[in-house]
Amino acid sequence: QVQLQQSGPGLVKPSQTLSLTCAISGDSVSRDTAAWNWIRQSPSRGLEWLGRTYYRSKWYNDYAVSVKGRITFSPDTSTNQFSLHLNSVTVEDTAVYYCASEDSGSFQDWGQGTLVTVSS
Amino acid sequence: QSALTQPRSVSGSPGQSVTIFCTGTSSDVAGYNYVSWYQQHPGKAPKLMIYDVTKRPSGVPDRFSGSKSGNTASLTISGLQAEDEADYYCCSYAGSPYVFGTGTKVTVL
Repeated sequence: QVQLQQSGPGLVKPSQTLSLTCAISGDSVSRDTAAWNWIRQSPSRGLEWLGRTYYRSKWYNDYAVSVKGRITFSPDTSTNQFSLHLNSVTVEDTAVYYCASEDSGSFQDWGQGTLVTVSS
Repeated sequence: QSALTQPRSVSGSPGQSVTIFCTGTSSDVAGYNYVSWYQQHPGKAPKLMIYDVTKRPSGVPDRFSGSKSGNTASLTISGLQAEDEADYYCCSYAGSPYVFGTGTKVTVL
């Protein structure tokens, strides 16, 4: 049974960096058939895929065009978790953020969600 | 990448069937057999209900079924039950790689 536990601040100031972490239990961040995703949800944008990190002999990242250039991921095999960093945030980045595991083209397991509000 | 198009709402009485359509393009729904469907209750994370267009994960009732024709995928809920009242989202691999649908609220009358 895979469980994803999210952590991170719920309030970020404009222009600063939003950072969230997803801790994995029951699976490995470096499993070579899985990918680890970040997805957000807001009333204005609905569900929006942000990107993923995955290991295939080395680490790869894919990013959505909408956030490319502002987003990075940092997998950590020693703690079996992966993190999202989104810089230069604006109020448009206010959303519920989810981490999710991906296998065979779908998202099987999800974190509990973190409401992140961008406000001064 | 534009969101996939879903009806805002559908409704049905207990025991009836409802079908939700998800319209995309040749770059997503029509181009790949990686269409999935998610159920989301208020305040909860989405839950995978269908993957690879037609497959059900373990534990999902067989009342839920999926299909695809061209650039339109569909989710059918047969024998509608009160607990099926939720928001439903389709998702397709799109090479970029993923795009979600706009979401459909299913109401059980």
